[in-house]
Amino acid sequence: DAKTTQPNSMESNEEEPVHLPCNHSTISGTDYIHWYRQLPSQGPEYVIHGLTSNVNNRMASLAIAEDRKSSTLILHRATLRDAAVYYCILTHGGGDTGTASKLTFGTGTRLQVTL
Amino acid sequence: DADVTQTPRNRITKTGKRIMLECSQTKGHDRMYWYRQDPGLGLRLIYYSFDVKDINKGEISDGYSVSRQAQAKFSLSLESAIPNQTALYFCATSDSPWRVNTDTQYFGPGTRLTVL
Repeated sequence: DAKTTQPNSMESNEEEPVHLPCNHSTISGTDYIHWYRQLPSQGPEYVIHGLTSNVNNRMASLAIAEDRKSSTLILHRATLRDAAVYYCILTHGGGDTGTASKLTFGTGTRLQVTL
Repeated sequence: DADVTQTPRNRITKTGKRIMLECSQTKGHDRMYWYRQDPGLGLRLIYYSFDVKDINKGEISDGYSVSRQAQAKFSLSLESAIPNQTALYFCATSDSPWRVNTDTQYFGPGTRLTVL
């Protein structure tokens, strides 16, 4: 399975943009890039996902490198409520439905947001 | 009301006891999952079910069993609890057609289990 590498922790000031990097140099052509986050004392929640093109939603933006070996989750204006552990996860595409949908969590990046 | 609920939210038990954790969902999803999380670590998949008749082992199924009683209910059992099963347990659901890997998983609030 393709692995992802993320920094253990990052800090940001409130209302500043945050760029959370993820390396996935062994990504295959059909792997999707997902981001989830886990707020303190809660279950993980979906943030965004993409395949090749950059993606935007109400929570964040996902910038995917042209060679797809890295991606960056962008929070445009961090708030205290964005303090969480952010997980970058690859999921297999198509074919074997037994592997589709299973999320393999690493240790993620712990984002601290300060006033 | 929450879409994915877990009961109990907290449980303390003794070694050797049988424990059942329950998960219910109102999202109408076919797929359900059980994960465990240990301190400082990411989540690991225990079991998953793509429909009522389908049960599959995850990466750490030893010592656990599951039951999919209905589309909305997925229970995790520890037949004889041991201390290293002390962890945070999460249930999740997802809904997608076959061979689509872009489905989103929705997680419950978790059950904190302590085995003494």
